[in-house]
Amino acid sequence: GQSLEQPSEVTAVEGAIVQINCTYQTSGFYGLSWYQQHDGGAPTFLSYNALDGLEETGRFSSFLSRSDSYGYLLLQELQMKDSASYFCAVRGDSWGKLQFGAGTQVVVTP
Amino acid sequence: DTGVSQDPRHKITKRGQNVTFRCDPISEHNRLYWYRQTLGQGPEFLTYFQNEAQLEKSRLLSDRFSAERPKGSFSTLEIQRTEQGDSAMYLCASSLSTGRGSDPNDYEQYFGPGTRLTVT
Repeated sequence: GQSLEQPSEVTAVEGAIVQINCTYQTSGFYGLSWYQQHDGGAPTFLSYNALDGLEETGRFSSFLSRSDSYGYLLLQELQMKDSASYFCAVRGDSWGKLQFGAGTQVVVTP
Repeated sequence: DTGVSQDPRHKITKRGQNVTFRCDPISEHNRLYWYRQTLGQGPEFLTYFQNEAQLEKSRLLSDRFSAERPKGSFSTLEIQRTEQGDSAMYLCASSLSTGRGSDPNDYEQYFGPGTRLTVT
C-alpha cells in the first residue's frame, strides 16, 4: 500500500520561513506534488518534483530525496495569505493516480 | 478558460436516495479525476478518465459509486443508495496529459470548487 506522513499543524509569524516535511511509502514512484488549500476553497497546485533536488517557484520551494522517500515544501517570507492547508501528494504506482497526505495546516500570525 | 466547474455545489439527501454530480473540466484537458475529501483529510482518489476511457478506479470504492465521461468532455459521478458515511466534499479535477514525462502539464491538476454532499 501507500502512505504519506506530514505534520498536522505549523504556526509561524509573518516574514518567517516554514518547512513542511513529507515522508512517503509507495510501491512505485513517479513524483511528489504539493497543493495548497484555503478554508472552503479548492486545492491549487504549487509544485512537483520527479527528480532529486530543489525546485524554486517564487517564495515557495520544494525538495525531493527519492533515496530517503522524503520531500519538503519551504515557504519563505510568510504572509498572512499563506495561512492554509498544504498537502503533499504522491504519484506512486499509477501514472494517473495521486495519493494525498492528510495535510499540514499553516497558521501565520502577525 | 473558465476553470473546472461542478454542479450542484451543495446536495442534501436522505439515506437510501441516489445522487448524481456533474463536472465540466477545462475544455482542452483530456484527463478528469474524481476525489472525495472529508474534514481534516486530504483528497482521496476515486477514479480518473483519459478522454472517455475510465483508466483506474480506487479499490476502496464501493460498487454503489459509478462514474462516466461519455464524450470525453463532462463527467458524472453517481452514488446509489447513499449512506451517512458518503457525506463529504466531492472534488473534480482535470489536467492535460501529453504523455511526455518531462512536461510540467502532466503533473498539474486543476480542481473544481467541489460538491458538498450531506446524507441525513
